Amino acid sequence: DAGVTQSPTHLIKTRGQHVTLRCSPISGHKSVSWYQQVLGQGPQFIFQYYEKEERGRGNFPDRFSARQFPNYSSELNVNALLLGDSALYLCASSRDGNNQPQHFGDGTRLSIL
Amino acid sequence: AQKVTQAQTEISVVEKEDVTLDCVYETRDTTYYLFWYKQPPSGELVFLIRRNSFDEQNEISGRYSWNFQKSTSSFNFTITASQVVDSAVYFCALSEEGSWGKFQFGAGTQVVVTP
Repeated sequence: DAGVTQSPTHLIKTRGQHVTLRCSPISGHKSVSWYQQVLGQGPQFIFQYYEKEERGRGNFPDRFSARQFPNYSSELNVNALLLGDSALYLCASSRDGNNQPQHFGDGTRLSIL
Repeated sequence: AQKVTQAQTEISVVEKEDVTLDCVYETRDTTYYLFWYKQPPSGELVFLIRRNSFDEQNEISGRYSWNFQKSTSSFNFTITASQVVDSAVYFCALSEEGSWGKFQFGAGTQVVVTP
């Protein structure tokens, strides 16, 4: 079975632009979570979706939004990009999201110029 | 509020040495889950172990072993007879009951194993 897949792998944007990152979970997994990992730090929780509903939100501004589709794939949107948004964005999936081990994708490396 | 502390920023060892990674956590919940993940240079986080707060038995998996002590709020990880392939950043994470996919990660410990 394929693991968690994320696209694109790398992305370069300028300040003020918006970006959409995509994630496909492992087959059979209904929960998707998004994390931001700044260089040299641990991942920080952004959102968690289960059965297309938001179940958790981290301490991120409203510029960050997400959604989950009927096929359980997910998108993370970031508006009005700032230099500080430069990071590795990780998507993770699990069967039901409730403290189950999360399986991570390779991430999207976002660079803001 | 939950918190995970990995005080060791980087540990360097020579191949075949043992290495122990420390993880100290804070939580007010009585039911919680602890995890260890490995992040090799390629970037993906690889799941290693999950332990719930009611299971204090130590666990061994090959060269990996984990020591969970609720009395000191620690969940330490030991790699025995380290190999170059063990070089990576290792993260400890905490999840509280009902918090769904919200994992609180530590800052990570970089392990460098030289031949």
